[in-house]
Amino acid sequence: LAKTTQPISMDSYEGQEVNITCSHNNIATNDYITWYQQFPSQGPRFIIQGYKTKVTNEVASLFIPADRKSSTLSLPRVSLSDTAVYYCLVGDSRDGVSGYSTLTFGKGTMLLVSP
Amino acid sequence: GAVVSQHPSWVICKSGTSVKIECRSLDFQATTMFWYRQFPKQSLMLMATSNEGSKATYEQGVEKDKFLINHASLTLSTLTVTSAHPEDSSFYICSAPLAGGFFGDTDTQYFGPGTRLTVL
Repeated sequence: LAKTTQPISMDSYEGQEVNITCSHNNIATNDYITWYQQFPSQGPRFIIQGYKTKVTNEVASLFIPADRKSSTLSLPRVSLSDTAVYYCLVGDSRDGVSGYSTLTFGKGTMLLVSP
Repeated sequence: GAVVSQHPSWVICKSGTSVKIECRSLDFQATTMFWYRQFPKQSLMLMATSNEGSKATYEQGVEKDKFLINHASLTLSTLTVTSAHPEDSSFYICSAPLAGGFFGDTDTQYFGPGTRLTVL
């Protein structure tokens, strides 16, 4: 059972800012929030990760409110090449051997950018 | 970011044959790797967790005798689909965390490019 909820799809136009919100009501205290981008027939690509408040890198910003029950991925001035599926993930159960979090992918958000 | 490679990128085989897929961490050591499967128009589903030096941990519903995992070294994990059948046709993706686990917090996973398996 996915621990996150996202819109199934979003539409935008080139040059616009796109905000994708994800709900994770049951996020654990030690969970980070990570966003991935996936193009067809490719592996997911790491976009950004955060724990609280705001994180910004060269491609996106991530806004996390104080209660951490949701997060918003912000993509500034999208282009056609940003058309992809975007996944929001929080840690799942921990592998007993290594301690690493397993990830449960939800359906993601299909972002379609039009000219 | 960290680089994870997979080989082959695609493979076509006859029903009943076995297929091996390699996952390598190119610029870091990965004591743990994860294997996922993705069917068309669907999301990724975790199949198993591969730990170097120990047996893999399989998710519920994944047959361990059919999907053999060997974590041969700190940079290589292999997934062998034994006696493949058409229903095993899928996109197989591996990932490796760069850091974290019991020794850290973030354990960001980096994904390979995927392997498209088609069983005729």
